[in-house]
Amino acid sequence: DAGITQSPRHKVTETGTPVTLRCHQTENHRYMYWYRQDPGHGLRLIHYSYGVKDTDKGEVSDGYSVSRSKTEDFLLTLESATSSQTSVYFCAISESTSGNTDTQYFGPGTRLTVL
Amino acid sequence: GNSVTQMEGPVTLSEEAFLTINCTYTATGYPSLFWYVQYPGEGLQLLLKATKADDKGSNKGFEATYRKETTSFHLEKGSVQVSDSAVYFCALSAGTASKLTFGTGTRLQVTL
Repeated sequence: DAGITQSPRHKVTETGTPVTLRCHQTENHRYMYWYRQDPGHGLRLIHYSYGVKDTDKGEVSDGYSVSRSKTEDFLLTLESATSSQTSVYFCAISESTSGNTDTQYFGPGTRLTVL
Repeated sequence: GNSVTQMEGPVTLSEEAFLTINCTYTATGYPSLFWYVQYPGEGLQLLLKATKADDKGSNKGFEATYRKETTSFHLEKGSVQVSDSAVYFCALSAGTASKLTFGTGTRLQVTL
């Protein structure tokens, strides 16, 4: 199994509070991704990173920011959480050395509830 | 833009039945196609993939063939087991950075 951990695994917070989720990898992969999983939508890409300090937006980036100061860590921040951000969040990693053919490996997920 | 459409679930089968989960896609360029599986309470894991037309991906008795002419990547298994009960996601990757576009997922329930 790819060495990917996410913390916390579960979190309950209140509307308007800031929340940071952490993804940590031990594989030294270049690419890291944040997805959210919602019923009826599958998984949707929030942000991704292609190197230290190099990030870009995904399909559903509004209300989220990310940072990557080290190869192994990718942080997802909800600046002011809203109930619509209640979801399960997955981190993934990829070597991405071959364009679009690389496999992504997923972490165990973080279940976030915003009250 | 890119999109993936997969059959609605849940799909309920008896053990040893034949499984087909349909997946079609829309993409620019030449995407790679994937099937991921999610067991209860876990993250997604790769089941199989195909990176060019007519490739067949296979793993654990599951198969899927990349059909460019019908833009499809249907998942099949000849004889399902109770342990195959999970949610199955079809996905594509096109362009740079291996970003994935997912279908909505199909829940499979296999009963004895």
